Amino acid sequence: DQQVKQNSPSLSVQEGRISILNCDYTNSMFDYFLWYKKYPAEGPTFLISISSIKDKNEDGRFTVFLNKSAKHLSLHIVPSQPGDSAVYFCAASVSGGYNKLIFGAGTRLAVHP
Amino acid sequence: DVKVTQSSRYLVKRTGEKVFLECVQDMDHENMFWYRQDPGLGLRLIYFSYDVKMKEKGDIPEGYSVSREKKERFSLILESASTNQTSMYLCASRSPGRTDTQYFGPGTRLTVL
Repeated sequence: DQQVKQNSPSLSVQEGRISILNCDYTNSMFDYFLWYKKYPAEGPTFLISISSIKDKNEDGRFTVFLNKSAKHLSLHIVPSQPGDSAVYFCAASVSGGYNKLIFGAGTRLAVHP
Repeated sequence: DVKVTQSSRYLVKRTGEKVFLECVQDMDHENMFWYRQDPGLGLRLIYFSYDVKMKEKGDIPEGYSVSREKKERFSLILESASTNQTSMYLCASRSPGRTDTQYFGPGTRLTVL
């Protein structure tokens, strides 16, 4: 049973527009959420994170929103650029213990000029 | 910058062979992880190590073992490779602390024939 779900395997957006990537989770104990970005033939790289005590975190063009009641988070990229084309993974963890990350299946974003 | 390296980018092995995947990190991180990435399934944790000679099973440890004799090196071993172990293998490391950010290597694409 997948605890972290990314229901859209792919997303296509025009350059300059907003990209919205979604992620749902089932475990209410998750208290830390991260987004990773992965280019082909490279390992994932950390993009942005959010603690469950917040509902928004912003870093330049990237903003993550957390809706705890809906167990939903989203990543907004504004404006989208062709270099943003990659696979985006959502991940979640529970503080304490070994802080294992549980990853979603990923969403492939394609930004077209 | 944290650097995580993996011994091979591409590997082709035959069914039944013993396979060693090596991972080295240069940031003195205590925690190290092995994942496999498969389409539609995201990253799944195979094993992790929170310190030298310490290991814990992840979500899919069957058919794998690990070794951590030195802090900087974490090895994944496929005792008898099978075709269903064809996958992308990713190593990661992390320094314990407030953030759960993990730093990934470039991955090893393993094909078992």
